[in-house]
Amino acid sequence: ETGVTQSPTHLIKTRGQQVTLRCSSQSGHNTVSWYQQALGQGPQFIFQYYREEENGRGNFPPRFSGLQFPNYSSELNVNALELDDSALYLCASSLRLAGMNTGELFFGEGSRLTVL
Amino acid sequence: AQSVAQPEDQVNVAEGNPLTVKCTYSVSGNPYLFWYVQYPNRGLQFLLKYITGDNLVKGSYGFEAEFNKSQTSFHLKKPSALVSDSALYFCAVRDPYSSASKIIFGSGTRLSIRP
Repeated sequence: ETGVTQSPTHLIKTRGQQVTLRCSSQSGHNTVSWYQQALGQGPQFIFQYYREEENGRGNFPPRFSGLQFPNYSSELNVNALELDDSALYLCASSLRLAGMNTGELFFGEGSRLTVL
Repeated sequence: AQSVAQPEDQVNVAEGNPLTVKCTYSVSGNPYLFWYVQYPNRGLQFLLKYITGDNLVKGSYGFEAEFNKSQTSFHLKKPSALVSDSALYFCAVRDPYSSASKIIFGSGTRLSIRP
């Protein structure tokens, strides 16, 4: 069983740039969620993807966008980077059955983004 | 709106003593509750969950949690702490009937076990 993998593990960008983070979900999982974890805080829900469509979004601006591919892998894109976007970005996969999510999330190790 | 609260930023316990990390929740309907642990510079690892049934849930690494509906609490417990239990612990809640199906995390409690 392959776990959730994320890339890159670390990256540094400057304000105004764009970044793409990638995630491969755990084998057999069809739902991907993205979280932002600022230093010293709990993870904040960005959005979730199911069947290649956004299925719920947290309080993040439109410059945060995503994709889910037919193999259930996913990308998080952030445009016009700001200093406050510096954080650990976590991808989590889960299995959705019959329209309901009852299971836990399985997290990757995260991508640490630093915006200078 | 669903939420969880972890009232303690840090909990300090001597090795071998019992530990409790507190969590209270607010959600309409029956909650799905979770505990996760995060080690430094790592992602979150699932410890245990409550969906329905027995109020005492057993999880990984000897941890357990007690669901108390009247007090809207889901405290994490372990009978005998280990130094290796030192980490950041997050309580989380999901509304199973929300179309968003998102899990909401608390602010975290840092558990420090001294030898």
